[in-house]
Amino acid sequence: AQSVAQPEDQVNVAEGNPLTVKCTYSVSGNPYLFWYVQYPNRGLQFLLKYITGDNLVKGSYGFEAEFNKSQTSFHLKKPSALVSDSALYFCAVRDIFLDSNYQLIWGAGTKLIIKP
Amino acid sequence: GAGVSQSPRYKVTKRGQDVALRCDPISGHVSLYWYRQALGQGPEFLTYFNYEAQQDKSGLPNDRFSAERPEGSISTLTIQRTEQRDSAMYRCASSAGLAGGKTSYEQYFGPGTRLTVT
Repeated sequence: AQSVAQPEDQVNVAEGNPLTVKCTYSVSGNPYLFWYVQYPNRGLQFLLKYITGDNLVKGSYGFEAEFNKSQTSFHLKKPSALVSDSALYFCAVRDIFLDSNYQLIWGAGTKLIIKP
Repeated sequence: GAGVSQSPRYKVTKRGQDVALRCDPISGHVSLYWYRQALGQGPEFLTYFNYEAQQDKSGLPNDRFSAERPEGSISTLTIQRTEQRDSAMYRCASSAGLAGGKTSYEQYFGPGTRLTVT
């Protein structure tokens, strides 16, 4: 079955330190992978995506993510965290081999807290 | 350019009343999705439109929920005879789909409508 796992409910990082938010997935074939961020009382914002090509993709606000096919992972990273990065982060995958391939399969979300 | 807009942003209604939630997608986006999102959780798929065709309504909880997109742009999610369990944040998202020979897969979300049924 297709699924997305975000193993950490919460990640705490000190400001200025690198951050990683983990995501692993399970799909039938080649995945399309996405990260979204949700700030308090705000909608979901698209951060970045992996469709094909370079395994390291760069997105908004200095975030990047690395697609690792062998580990079926798509971890979100940022070299130096800002307090303003504190938010809820969602990983999502699109399984192009499904009939319902328009659907995104969502992770449960990871709350990122950046402490000054 | 303008993003996805939803109205109303907040709706309080009494149990048994009908409500209509509106979504105005990004101009030119052919795909439109409705989701329900509980606090601190990921979006729960409700229904999907490709242009004006409702291609998947498998996520609609029961037959009190319906959605339409008659002209392939604005969409309305209607909940009839609302119940307290319908209280939630309802989000709409749109995606460009196939445009200019290239498919765009990411979805862009609106701010949501917070529905409270009393």
